Amino acid sequence: GAVVSQHPSRVICKSGTSVKIECRSLDFQATTMFWYRQFPKQSLMLMATSNEGSKATYEQGVEKDKFLINHASLTLSTLTVTSAHPEDSSFYICSARGGTAVGYGYTFGSGTRLTVV
Amino acid sequence: GENVEQHPSTLSVQEGDSAVIKCTYSDSASNYFPWYKQELGKRPQLIIDIRSNVGEKKDQRIAVTLNKTAKHFSLHITETQPEDSAVYFCAASKGFTGGGNKLTFGTGTQLKVEL
Repeated sequence: GAVVSQHPSRVICKSGTSVKIECRSLDFQATTMFWYRQFPKQSLMLMATSNEGSKATYEQGVEKDKFLINHASLTLSTLTVTSAHPEDSSFYICSARGGTAVGYGYTFGSGTRLTVV
Repeated sequence: GENVEQHPSTLSVQEGDSAVIKCTYSDSASNYFPWYKQELGKRPQLIIDIRSNVGEKKDQRIAVTLNKTAKHFSLHITETQPEDSAVYFCAASKGFTGGGNKLTFGTGTQLKVEL
């Protein structure tokens, strides 16, 4: 079945630095990538949607200059958290769709636990 | 945009009993309703889904029902086992008709199956 590889699984960074999270679709072309953030004991909140080769569409309240999304190819999307602060500590998870080829399913990455100290 | 409400937030059942989790959605154009099981620190796992052209779907101990008129859908787990303990999320999207439509998640239900 469809697989999305997400790295790193855990990262600790200092306040003010940037962190890049990668999601790769291993056996299908991810035409659309969704990025979610999940705080402890809460639901998955959509941050942005990106289509290959296009600018990402951000949800209301999500700072596009702080959370940079790149979806330059059909197999790779990245989320960069710039100038990270402790309040950005969260579980970040991507979800890819490959259109009709994979039956309209949403394939999730394994998530990245970001801790900003 | 779509809004998905989910109840209850916590559910405790005895092993072997049934568990029911209910969700309502607001956008009548939504046509795809998956249910996910998430264990702590892991990715959500799809356990069952239903499309708007179907009223009910069953897979062994798990079933989902959909009432389009009332805009609500429910997850039913029978003969619960301790390994069913996890957080369950419902979701809705307009994705069945194709394209990159986003999933909107419910708030989650912490299910605990006690021995």
